[in-house]
Amino acid sequence: AQKITQTQPGMFVQEKEAVTLDCTYDTSDPSYGLFWYKQPSSGEMIFLIYQGSYDQQNATEGRYSLNFQKARKSANLVISASQLGDSAMYFCAMREGRGSARQLTFGSGTQLTVLP
Amino acid sequence: GAVVSQHPSWVICKSGTSVKIECRSLDFQATTMFWYRQFPKQSLMLMATSNEGSKATYEQGVEKDKFLINHASLTLSTLTVTSAHPEDSSFYICSARDPGLAYEQYFGPGTRLTVT
Repeated sequence: AQKITQTQPGMFVQEKEAVTLDCTYDTSDPSYGLFWYKQPSSGEMIFLIYQGSYDQQNATEGRYSLNFQKARKSANLVISASQLGDSAMYFCAMREGRGSARQLTFGSGTQLTVLP
Repeated sequence: GAVVSQHPSWVICKSGTSVKIECRSLDFQATTMFWYRQFPKQSLMLMATSNEGSKATYEQGVEKDKFLINHASLTLSTLTVTSAHPEDSSFYICSARDPGLAYEQYFGPGTRLTVT
């Protein structure tokens, strides 16, 4: 079974509007972390936001917020006031358990295009 | 903030030759580094976990004799693609986690390998 599922291969949003990128996950480990990364065409992976499984509140970082619904095992990324520079590939990822040797597992990604 | 560098950023080699890619953590010590491969318009797939001073742990389906990983110091891991073939052409990305921080994981800028 897929550990991270992103069901939207591509999304379009009008500049200055908000957009939600979906992510669901599957784990039996009570301790896990959820990440969102942005990958522009240059290829670099840019960290956006993190949500820990024990965090009580949804994470926010500037225009990015994570809609964490633990019971549904979803961790959707919300980008407010979209900008043209937000056009990129977005990956949801999960790290299970604790310790620095735990790897990240990535979803298939969503290609976001912001329209002027 | 922490930075992970990779060298070279791109390389073209002939089929049958070997290519070495370096991954360095610039301002923190990384006992563990991760090597990912990404094909065009696909997700990042973990190839192996590189452990300082010991053998790397390879993911299922990754040939350890073809993708040699050496993690000789706390700041340097190398990936050598031996006897490269055109199907090895891909984007290789390394990642490292700063054990002194709560959850951050940093990615190198990637190395684009083309085998002709």
